[in-house]
Amino acid sequence: DAGVTQSPTHLIKTRGQHVTLRCSPISGHKSVSWYQQVLGQGPQFIFQYYEKEERGRGNFPDRFSARQFPNYSSELNVNALLLGDSALYLCASSLKFGWYADGPYNEQFFGPGTRLTVL
Amino acid sequence: AQTVTQSQPEMSVQEAETVTLSCTYDTSENNYYLFWYKQPPSRQMILVIRQEAYKQQNATENRFSVNFQKAAKSFSLKISDSQLGDTAMYFCAFMKGLNYGGSQGNLIFGKGTKLSVKP
Repeated sequence: DAGVTQSPTHLIKTRGQHVTLRCSPISGHKSVSWYQQVLGQGPQFIFQYYEKEERGRGNFPDRFSARQFPNYSSELNVNALLLGDSALYLCASSLKFGWYADGPYNEQFFGPGTRLTVL
Repeated sequence: AQTVTQSQPEMSVQEAETVTLSCTYDTSENNYYLFWYKQPPSRQMILVIRQEAYKQQNATENRFSVNFQKAAKSFSLKISDSQLGDTAMYFCAFMKGLNYGGSQGNLIFGKGTKLSVKP
């Protein structure tokens, strides 16, 4: 079975531009989460979606937005890019969320990430 | 708010020896989950081991085991018979549980420990 896939692998943008990152979860997984990993740091939670609804949001500005589609794939959008947005953006999928996400159902499987460089 | 602290930025170990990575966390929750993730230089994050807070028995996965001390809020990872392929960044992560089962879903990561296994 295919794992979590992300596109593109690398992206170079300039300040002020907009970027869209894409993620396809593992087949059967209905929850997708996005994380930002700045070089030398642990990942920071941005958003979580389950059944196409936002279920959690981290401490990121409104320039960051996301959505989940009927096929459970997801997009992360970042507007008005800043130099500080340069990072590895990780997508993770899990089977379930909330009351049913116990035991192995809450395990998050990560994609390879998208490396965003803002010049 | 929950926090995760990894106090060892870098560690090294000789092949076939044992190494222990430290992690402490701060939470007022009683139901939660703890994870160790491995991120090799190729950057794909992989789950190494998980521990449910309600389980007193320490989790083990082949050469990997944890020492979970709930009262001390400590969650260390022991790697036995270290192999060259264990060279990676290791992240300790916390997931909040829900009062009546299940989980909130997003992970809170520490800053990581860079482990080098030397031949």
